[in-house]
Amino acid sequence: ILNVEQSPQSLHVQEGDSTNFTCSFPSSNFYALHWYRWETAKSPEALFVMTLNGDEKKKGRISATLNTKEGYSYLYIKGSQPEDSATYLCAFLMNYGGSQGNLIFGKGTKLSVKP
Amino acid sequence: EAQVTQNPRYLITVTGKKLTVTCSQNMNHEYMSWYRQDPGLGLRQIYYSMNVEVTDKGDVPEGYKVSRKEKRNFPLILESPSPNQTSLYFCASSSRLGSSYNEQFFGPGTRLTVL
Repeated sequence: ILNVEQSPQSLHVQEGDSTNFTCSFPSSNFYALHWYRWETAKSPEALFVMTLNGDEKKKGRISATLNTKEGYSYLYIKGSQPEDSATYLCAFLMNYGGSQGNLIFGKGTKLSVKP
Repeated sequence: EAQVTQNPRYLITVTGKKLTVTCSQNMNHEYMSWYRQDPGLGLRQIYYSMNVEVTDKGDVPEGYKVSRKEKRNFPLILESPSPNQTSLYFCASSSRLGSSYNEQFFGPGTRLTVL
C-alpha cells in the first residue's frame, strides 16, 4: 500500500507568521502531485497540480515546490491570515501501467491562524 | 455555473437497504471519482472512472459499485450498506487528471449514516 505522509499534523500560528508544511510521497512512478485546501464544512478546493521535478507554483501568498527524485513537496504560506485557517491536503497520482487515476491523499495538515 | 452536484446531501438508512448516491457534473469532464472521508483516515478513493464505460477500483472499493454510462453521471451504489460505511462521501471530476492545469472539482459531499 502506497503511503503519502504530511507533516506536521497540525499547526497553530499567529497572524502574519509565515509557515510551511511537507508532503512526502513515493519517488518512483510519479505522475502528478495535487495540493488542496479544505475549510471546515466545505469541500476541498484545488490549489496546485504539479507534474515536473523542480516545479514551483504560486497563487497569491501561497506557493509550492516539488522534488520528485526525493519524493517531497513543500507548501508555503507567507504572512498567514485567519482566513488561511484550513486543512491542507496533498495527493499523489502514480503512473501505473498506463492508468493514472488512483489518487492517494495524505491525512492533511490542519492550520489555525490566530488574529 | 460549473459544478459537481451530489444527491442526497444527507441520508440515514438501515443495514442492508440498497441505496444510490448520485453525482453529476456539467463541465464535460472525462474523469470522475468517489472518495470517503473518515476521522483520522483522511480522504480515501473508492472508485474512479477515466471515461464513459471505464471504471476502476481505488483503495477502498469493497461494498461499493459504480457505473459510468454517460459522461456527466457517476452514481455510487451500496447494494447492502453496513454500519462501517457510515461516512462523508465526496464525488469529484477533472478534465484530464494528470495534466498540470487540470485539478479536481469536488461536490458538496453526502453524509451517510447506516444504522
